[in-house]
Amino acid sequence: EADIYQTPRYLVIGTGKKITLECSQTMGHDKMYWYQQDPGMELHLIHYSYGVNSTEKGDLSSESTVSRIRTEHFPLTLESARPSHTSQYLCASSESQTPRRGETQYFGPGTRLLVL
Amino acid sequence: KNQVEQSPQSLIILEGKNCTLQCNYTVSPFSNLRWYKQDTGRGPVSLTIMTFSENTKSNGRYTATLDADTKQSSLHITASQLSDSASYICVVSDRGSTLGRLYFGRGTQLTVWP
Repeated sequence: EADIYQTPRYLVIGTGKKITLECSQTMGHDKMYWYQQDPGMELHLIHYSYGVNSTEKGDLSSESTVSRIRTEHFPLTLESARPSHTSQYLCASSESQTPRRGETQYFGPGTRLLVL
Repeated sequence: KNQVEQSPQSLIILEGKNCTLQCNYTVSPFSNLRWYKQDTGRGPVSLTIMTFSENTKSNGRYTATLDADTKQSSLHITASQLSDSASYICVVSDRGSTLGRLYFGRGTQLTVWP
């Protein structure tokens, strides 16, 4: 069982509200990721971080922003939520291994967001 | 275009039966392939990981195979249990970037009935 946590698990919010999805891990991993997943669809990378003060946008364009002030914490913020943001958001972390072996990402339980 | 395709999209089997899930990919250059299990409302959990030189990898009742020549992988579940009901996701990593880019399949939704 991975030590990576997300809160809230479920969130229903009105259009235009500002929200922050929390993600924290206690494994000391340098790398952290945010994915968006719609039902029956593949995960899409929206943000990632290689370490403190390092953040990058992923493959899927997202209006959200992230910050990495502490190693264990990687919050995602939506300044003005819209119904199109309704989705499941998954946080993950990994530690560097050999290039050939690759890295196993450990996922949090996810946050299901519904924007009305 | 790098892609990961999984089949079937969904599968229903009776408890105790075996099943095999398929994954075809076009990711290049290939680094490794993982199978994840995602329970409803939870994050994915890694089951197996295979590199280019590995043909098979087992984890309890789960056995994954990899044919790097045909770019195909399968996940075989033996003596299925109700707790096996989940989405099984095939994830392929490339060696083309320092990120170790991951390509996700859409998953096979497995339902095990008593």
